[in-house]
Amino acid sequence: DADVTQTPRNRITKTGKRIMLECSQTKGHDRMYWYRQDPGLGLRLIYYSFDVKDINKGEISDGYSVSRQAQAKFSLSLESAIPNQTALYFCATSDLARGMASTDTQYFGPGTRLTVL
Amino acid sequence: GENVEQHPSTLSVQEGDSAVIKCTYSDSASNYFPWYKQELGKRPQLIIDIRSNVGEKKDQRIAVTLNKTAKHFSLHITETQPEDSAVYFCAARDSGGYQKVTFGTGTKLQVIP
Repeated sequence: DADVTQTPRNRITKTGKRIMLECSQTKGHDRMYWYRQDPGLGLRLIYYSFDVKDINKGEISDGYSVSRQAQAKFSLSLESAIPNQTALYFCATSDLARGMASTDTQYFGPGTRLTVL
Repeated sequence: GENVEQHPSTLSVQEGDSAVIKCTYSDSASNYFPWYKQELGKRPQLIIDIRSNVGEKKDQRIAVTLNKTAKHFSLHITETQPEDSAVYFCAARDSGGYQKVTFGTGTKLQVIP
């Protein structure tokens, strides 16, 4: 889905370095998410934002921070990278319509593979 | 918060056989249950979903069933084909103010030709 893009696609960095992963979307969705994928652990939510002024921690936010620069942009930062942050990172967007008939289909970006040495 | 458990973690079936993946959830007020498929090296994509006001939904070879009383839901794939090989994630949307979606840990399905 070219409507959600992530940069970089691959990154190798060293322990202690600061790194930023960027996500952009042209879907016009208000909701954006950052997930981390590790083998056997599924997709775990790091942070989510339901509009530009609303940012919330997910289940594994320690060691990460985010910035919602605009409706279309949501960045994830690792202030001081450590090896156990080596993972595949996905950005996603959704456009929740309220009410019983609503769904919350999430549209994922292509992922960023991050390796921390 | 919501907790979603998914089983099995890996599943191998012969081409043409059926595959079943099961998930349980903890929040009895959850009302939306999507399933995502992630092919090797690709991003997860929604394949089917079900709301809490129905017990079953079908889309060609794929079906999802929901048992609200037992708080479990399942994905059924019939007449499996090699292109069904992928990782499948179940998910549940909680009833909290933000109505977040929580994912299961994934099932790696291998269809053997």
